[in-house]
Amino acid sequence: DTAVSQTPKYLVTQMGNDKSIKCEQNLGHDTMYWYKQDSKKFLKIMFSYNNKELIINETVPNRFSPKSPDKAHLNLHINSLELGDSAVYFCASSPGPQETQYFGPGTRLLVL
Amino acid sequence: GEDVEQSLFLSVREGDSSVINCTYTDSSSTYLYWYKQEPGAGLQLLTYIFSNMDMKQDQRLTVLLNKKDKHLSLRIADTQTGDSAIYFCAEDQTGANNLFFGTGTRLTVIP
Repeated sequence: DTAVSQTPKYLVTQMGNDKSIKCEQNLGHDTMYWYKQDSKKFLKIMFSYNNKELIINETVPNRFSPKSPDKAHLNLHINSLELGDSAVYFCASSPGPQETQYFGPGTRLLVL
Repeated sequence: GEDVEQSLFLSVREGDSSVINCTYTDSSSTYLYWYKQEPGAGLQLLTYIFSNMDMKQDQRLTVLLNKKDKHLSLRIADTQTGDSAIYFCAEDQTGANNLFFGTGTRLTVIP
């Protein structure tokens, strides 16, 4: 019974393409997040989403956009992919803001 | 947020204790966390400590918190080869509903 799941697990694509990564949580949590882990393993928050309120890390390019069709899903859409977007992207959820976060398994994105 | 700092590498022998240190930035952080990341895998929540506590013990794991120095440590007793992973500390900075992670400490357990 996966709590936080992401698809796909691996994604290889070419520069300039548009791609989406899906995240689903079955924990009934109200808040969801996206993090990026670069090649040096540094983890940075990208977005948090709670009750239709989106908080964006100002360093995230506007090519990245989260989309939440319902409370259990927060998908990450990326336009015009660049080489520097290659990373592992983690989704997480928590019961509410500032509560313990539970992470998905990650999506490994490689842009060629 | 400012950087949360950790040593990058730690090697210990199997059966010894491991101590992973972290210096965080926001003295008003409510919770502090330890996450484990095994090779090629996601982040697993190991334990967390509320800011009004000095210590928390959970089986082989002991978390120590020194609020004055903004120092957090994770002690793993009787370290096993399966403990080899990257360990991240994270703080939940007040006013921000997201986590700020340390750089991660790669723990290598030598058989």
